[in-house]
Order: sequence, then C-alpha cells, then structure tokens
Amino acid sequence: GAVVSQHPSWVICKSGTSVKIECRSLDFQATTMFWYRQFPKQSLMLMATSNEGSKATYEQGVEKDKFLINHASLTLSTLTVTSAHPEDSSFYICSATRDYSYEQYFGPGTRLTVT
Amino acid sequence: GQQVMQIPQYQHVQEGEDFTTYCNSSTTLSNIQWYKQRPGGHPVFLIQLVKSGEVKKQKRLTFQFGEAKKNSSLHITATQTTDVGTYFCGVYNQGGKLIFGQGTELSVKP
Repeated sequence: GAVVSQHPSWVICKSGTSVKIECRSLDFQATTMFWYRQFPKQSLMLMATSNEGSKATYEQGVEKDKFLINHASLTLSTLTVTSAHPEDSSFYICSATRDYSYEQYFGPGTRLTVT
Repeated sequence: GQQVMQIPQYQHVQEGEDFTTYCNSSTTLSNIQWYKQRPGGHPVFLIQLVKSGEVKKQKRLTFQFGEAKKNSSLHITATQTTDVGTYFCGVYNQGGKLIFGQGTELSVKP
C-alpha cells in the first residue's frame, strides 16, 4: 500500500507555456501533500505544502502565482508551472502523508524541460 | 529554520568496502529520517529514529541517533552495487515540514 503516482513522468514545453503536473495517492487518502523541486546533484527543496480544501502554504522564495497548487481531493494535488522558463527546468516530486503519519510516500517525479 | 548538514557529499568505494554518511544539527532533533534515492528515481523511506542513542539495523545498514539527538549516521557494511544512490537524512521542523540534508551520493565500483 501507500503508492503515489505522478503524471506526466516527463514533459518538454516551450518557454512561456504552462504545464500541469498531477500527483495522486492511489490506495490511501492523503491528509497532506508536499511538492519538492530537485536540481541535478542537489537535494530536494520543499516548494509548498498542500492540504485538501485549503490554500497551499508556500516556502519562502517560491512564487505562488507562478507555481499554482490545487488540492481538490484527498487523493489528488496538482502543480501548474505557469509561463515556464528554462530556469524552471527541474525534477518535480510530490509526496503524501496519511493519517498524520510521519512517513512520506514519494511519487516517481516529473522531469520538466523548458526550451 | 531547521537545518541539517550532511557529509560527505560524495563517496566512491570499492565493492565490499564499508560506507558511512553523517548528518549533524546545531539544535536538538525530535526525530530523524533516512531516505535512499536511486539514480533517476525518487526518495524511498528507509527508517525513522526517535530515541536518544537509538541504533537500528536493516540487514547491512545500521542507523544511529546520537545521545544528544543532534547527529545521526547511516553505515553500510560490505557495500554492493545495489547500494548505489544518494542517501538523504530528513528532519521535521516545527511547522511539520520535512527538511532534507544535502545528501551523500554513493558510487560502488565492482
């Protein structure tokens, strides 16, 4: 149990376009979902925390108008990168927790390349 | 905010050699977690340590939490090529957010 999926697994888009990434908890209801960004050879940096039915909480330095997060249900959170630029190219990973457990279950990640 | 320093950044070993990565904090930690990320993959939870001086083992992996709960280590005995990846420690801050260390990338030469 505790499987998290992400879609798409990779995406290439042109500069100025928007990209939506979905994160789903497949076999459990996620009380909280997190979005991370990881650049090559670097650690995971938390971007935002998302709770179902409420606004996401963004980390300092993360533009909420650029990275739109919607947590419509207990099994789905989406991250939309608006007006993407090459510097937004990165590996985006979501994670989810259930029943206020300490363990985070990570999705397989989405590799975004902006040309 | 909560920060943990993880060293070394890279470790290259011959298959069969041991490997250790360390995480240190300037403040007392309530708990610490360890994750493994294979190349091209996503982090996978390994373990959580909570108690002062706690030692846990998973086959060839030994996890320790310092007596002062300010440091932790992950030790792999007799590394294998399947151990390749980046190992991260993670701690929850007061806001309930998981903050990762910088990670230690392990490469194993057959």
